[in-house]
Amino acid sequence: GAVVSQHPSWVICKSGTSVKIECRSLDFQATTMFWYRQFPKQSLMLMATSNEGSKATYEQGVEKDKFLINHASLTLSTLTVTSAHPEDSSFYICSARIDGNEQFFGPGTRLTVL
Amino acid sequence: KQEVTQIPAALSVPEGENLVLNCSFTDSAIYNLQWFRQDPGKGLTSLLLIQSSQREQTSGRLNASLDKSSGRSTLYIAASQPGDSATYLCAVGSYQLTFGKGTKLSVIP
Repeated sequence: GAVVSQHPSWVICKSGTSVKIECRSLDFQATTMFWYRQFPKQSLMLMATSNEGSKATYEQGVEKDKFLINHASLTLSTLTVTSAHPEDSSFYICSARIDGNEQFFGPGTRLTVL
Repeated sequence: KQEVTQIPAALSVPEGENLVLNCSFTDSAIYNLQWFRQDPGKGLTSLLLIQSSQREQTSGRLNASLDKSSGRSTLYIAASQPGDSATYLCAVGSYQLTFGKGTKLSVIP
């Protein structure tokens, strides 16, 4: 099956710093990648949709200037949390969609902001 | 706006039992429904994908059904094992997915 990786798997940072999370499709090219956020005991909430070579589309309530998304190639998308604060602490998961309807998810990145 | 509800929120069964997890959605004009498994602190593993034209999918001990008219899907797990313990999520959509909060399953040896 299709494999999606994320790096890092967990990160701890100080308030005010920026953190970059990478999402890679390892054995396929993904024209579309999605970024989700999951708070404890909550479901996954879609943050943004990114298409290779174009600007990301953000869901209502998600600050595009705070969560910078870059999808520079068909196998890599990055999410940068700028000026992170404790309320940004969460589990961030990416997914990649190939031709068809199925999405394949990465293992997630646990972000803790002190 | 699509809303997805999963009942029960948690379920505990003895090993070997057959069980059913439920998922309901408000907008029946869905394209696909997908069931996932999530282990604690981990990402999602896709279990079954039911396309809108299909009524069910099977994989090993898992069987998922879809009734668009009633806005419901069920995930049937046969002969449950302790290794099945995880949170099971259903999601609807095609291009973008809307998730339920999941059912946390515990299979007791």
